Amino acid sequence: DAGVIQSPRHEVTEMGQEVTLRCKPISGHNSLFWYRQTMMRGLELLIYFNNNVPIDDSGMPEDRFSAKMPNASFSTLKIQPSEPRDSAVYFCASDSGINTIYFGEGSWLTVV
Amino acid sequence: QKEVEQNSGPLSVPEGAIASLNCTYSDRGSQSFFWYRQYSGKSPELIMFIYSNGDKEDGRFTAQLNKASQYVSLLIRDSQPSDSATYLCAVNRSGGSNYKLTFGKGTLLTVNP
Repeated sequence: DAGVIQSPRHEVTEMGQEVTLRCKPISGHNSLFWYRQTMMRGLELLIYFNNNVPIDDSGMPEDRFSAKMPNASFSTLKIQPSEPRDSAVYFCASDSGINTIYFGEGSWLTVV
Repeated sequence: QKEVEQNSGPLSVPEGAIASLNCTYSDRGSQSFFWYRQYSGKSPELIMFIYSNGDKEDGRFTAQLNKASQYVSLLIRDSQPSDSATYLCAVNRSGGSNYKLTFGKGTLLTVNP
């Protein structure tokens, strides 16, 4: 199995630009999570999907952030407009419901 | 009070020693507990999970849970330099699903050859 696939791996963008992060979960996993990791705040859950439906987006920091999961094999996290404080590692993870969350390699975002 | 607290470290131990990593949590309704390892620049990977009070062993790793005291620990026996990483404690209120794991900020472990 290829694991959770994220793209891009690294992105540097200017403040105000739109950023789209992509994720392909492990086939057969029905739960998908977007996390953000920073030194200051650690690993935070942004949003959780189950069977392609957003269940809890209470961790999404503000309206500039949005996430979609149009089908079982694809999800996006969009930031528009981006700000320097959005610089972080964004992880996508999926879970088949047997107590093992598998993380992707992460998308390293730098907003300058 | 933070939901999940860990000593940030760094915790430094010599090769072959026992490394002890500790975690406390604030939500008494928490039912499942996880330890993840994260190498620098990499993603977290699950080491162990524990639900019941007591010890759970897996190879060189032992997870210990004490719900009355609201702490969970991870012991690594015969520590190796390859164990050097950040260890993240995660707590879930729900007994079954991994929904909404709350992570600590992690403890950096360094194993010196």
